[in-house]
Amino acid sequence: KNEVEQSPQNLTAQEGEFITINCSYSVGISALHWLQQHPGGGIVSLFMLSSGKKKHGRLIATINIQEKHSSLHITASHPRDSAVYICAVGVGETSGSRLTFGEGTQLTVNP
Amino acid sequence: DGGITQSPKYLFRKEGQNVTLSCEQNLNHDAMYWYRQDPGQGLRLIYYSQIVNDFQKGDIAEGYSVSREKKESFPLTVTSAQKNPTAFYLCASSKNTYNEQFFGPGTRLTVL
Repeated sequence: KNEVEQSPQNLTAQEGEFITINCSYSVGISALHWLQQHPGGGIVSLFMLSSGKKKHGRLIATINIQEKHSSLHITASHPRDSAVYICAVGVGETSGSRLTFGEGTQLTVNP
Repeated sequence: DGGITQSPKYLFRKEGQNVTLSCEQNLNHDAMYWYRQDPGQGLRLIYYSQIVNDFQKGDIAEGYSVSREKKESFPLTVTSAQKNPTAFYLCASSKNTYNEQFFGPGTRLTVL
């Protein structure tokens, strides 16, 4: 069983919809990362968080350490948000280095 | 502009040949990483380096080798010992092991 589980695996939405992607992990962590991978393969780091909530534009990431769960929300979704969203966790002193990755959630936003 | 570059974008090699993938960064980051991505799987760590002249094996280091002679460069060699080398390879860097990672555009390796 993968230590990092994402749901759903695939998500299709209409432009303007509110989107939630979930990530659950089975180990104690020091930080959780949300990444975005575009069709060409390039990956962008969206958030790195260890508690609470972070917001950047239309993106919001939350984490509940006790429940070992994180969510990525996209408000007012747009076709340009179509990408694979990847959750990754870092453990111990290497919170940024030895990451364990989820398999990703493929998001498609239709106009 | 600061960033990470990987070359080439596409690479083809014959079975039994070694091949070296380039990764360069001008972000003045101490830490660098190599990942492999296969369809339907999460990224897996091959090797990482926290500082020049030092590197550690990741989860799937067999059949790969690296060097870190300069802070800016972390080349990955895929050797003939790697049984399934066809994959998408991503290089990343971070200021240190506590910070977020910045990724390069990737190299897609195909073994013919």
